[in-house]
Amino acid sequence: GAVVSQHPSWVICKSGTSVKIECRSLDFQATTMFWYRQFPKQSLMLMATSNEGSKATYEQGVEKDKFLINHASLTLSTLTVTSAHPEDSSFYICSARDRGFGLGKTQYFGPGTRLLVL
Amino acid sequence: AQSVAQPEDQVNVAEGNPLTVKCTYSVSGNPYLFWYVQYPNRGLQFLLKYITGDNLVKGSYGFEAEFNKSQTSFHLKKPSALVSDSALYFCAVRDGNAGNMLTFGGGTRLMVKP
Repeated sequence: GAVVSQHPSWVICKSGTSVKIECRSLDFQATTMFWYRQFPKQSLMLMATSNEGSKATYEQGVEKDKFLINHASLTLSTLTVTSAHPEDSSFYICSARDRGFGLGKTQYFGPGTRLLVL
Repeated sequence: AQSVAQPEDQVNVAEGNPLTVKCTYSVSGNPYLFWYVQYPNRGLQFLLKYITGDNLVKGSYGFEAEFNKSQTSFHLKKPSALVSDSALYFCAVRDGNAGNMLTFGGGTRLMVKP
């Protein structure tokens, strides 16, 4: 299947700093990428949908100024957690769907990035 | 609105026995159904999907799932469980008639004991 990578896999930062997470589709082009957040022992919560070349669509309750998303190319989307606080500590997972028509296309997930804000 | 229910937080099964992880869904349009598996501190791995066609779908690692429209279910099954199958399993649905959004169930932890 298609491969999605994320970098970094782990990040520890001080409160107040900004952290950028990269998501890449390695062997396919993704017009749409998704960013999820997962708390321990819980399911995935969709944060935003990112379309190449346009602004991301954020889910209700997700601060767009806090979680900046850029989808600059068909293979790269970035999530920047600005002025991170301890409550932002979580497991962030990106997902990409192959371009083309049909909602039956599979979403492939990255390995996740664990963020710990001290 | 679309939703997914995984009624069991955890399923325990002995190695070599058949396993079933349950999933029911609700969508207004045609359901596109997916199963993913997550190992500790890892992202989700795609197992299988149902879009149309045969109700029995075969996927990776010997898993299969049966789409039952009348019961709005998509249970994941495997004839003979392995200890290495122990992981967190997520069922997901997308409305085939509208939207991008994939909605996940709460997840079911599968524990396979030797």
